[in-house]
Amino acid sequence: KQEVTQIPAALSVPEGENLVLNCSFTDSAIYNLQWFRQDPGKGLTSLLLIQSSQREQTSGRLNASLDKSSGRSTLYIAASQPGDSATYLCAVRGGGATNKLIFGTGTLLAVQP
Amino acid sequence: DTAVSQTPKYLVTQMGNDKSIKCEQNLGHDTMYWYKQDSKKFLKIMFSYNNKELIINETVPNRFSPKSPDKAHLNLHINSLELGDSAVYFCASSGQGRTEAFFGQGTRLTVV
Repeated sequence: KQEVTQIPAALSVPEGENLVLNCSFTDSAIYNLQWFRQDPGKGLTSLLLIQSSQREQTSGRLNASLDKSSGRSTLYIAASQPGDSATYLCAVRGGGATNKLIFGTGTLLAVQP
Repeated sequence: DTAVSQTPKYLVTQMGNDKSIKCEQNLGHDTMYWYKQDSKKFLKIMFSYNNKELIINETVPNRFSPKSPDKAHLNLHINSLELGDSAVYFCASSGQGRTEAFFGQGTRLTVV
């Protein structure tokens, strides 16, 4: 059974700092991995999608990496801003026919001005 | 244009009532989902439909019944609501080949 864990559960950094969020999964047979952000009381916004054959994806100040064999992904945020404050969720999509996303426990990020 | 839209955004109801949440996507996706986010913010899949056909039912009580009239819509009907059903329910969709998933804004259900 796939389990997805995110460390740390919460993180507070001063504005301008670079930071890394971690996501680990127990079953390496994934199809892809997706990073989302969720603002309080809002829905999920897709940030990056990494296919299982890819090593990383970049969008603006965000860079996500994937090491499928070790069951890990990281989300790197460069030059953090207060507007980056949110909960960050990673989700893996299994390789079977079920086509479902299994979510991690989330990291609550606070960027202090 | 909103890609995945849910209605209502907030729903407050009494125990024992029956309620429905509607979801529509305009992305042309084949697969739609319902997820439940509990009080600890953990997201768990409930149902998945592919081309109007149920493909995932994750041990959800049979008081919950999804209905997909066409592949752009997936509604969730809940009978005999219980206090423990209070949560945020998210609808999502994705295309063929397990592409990027998009989520609606969520429906906050409060059962009193």
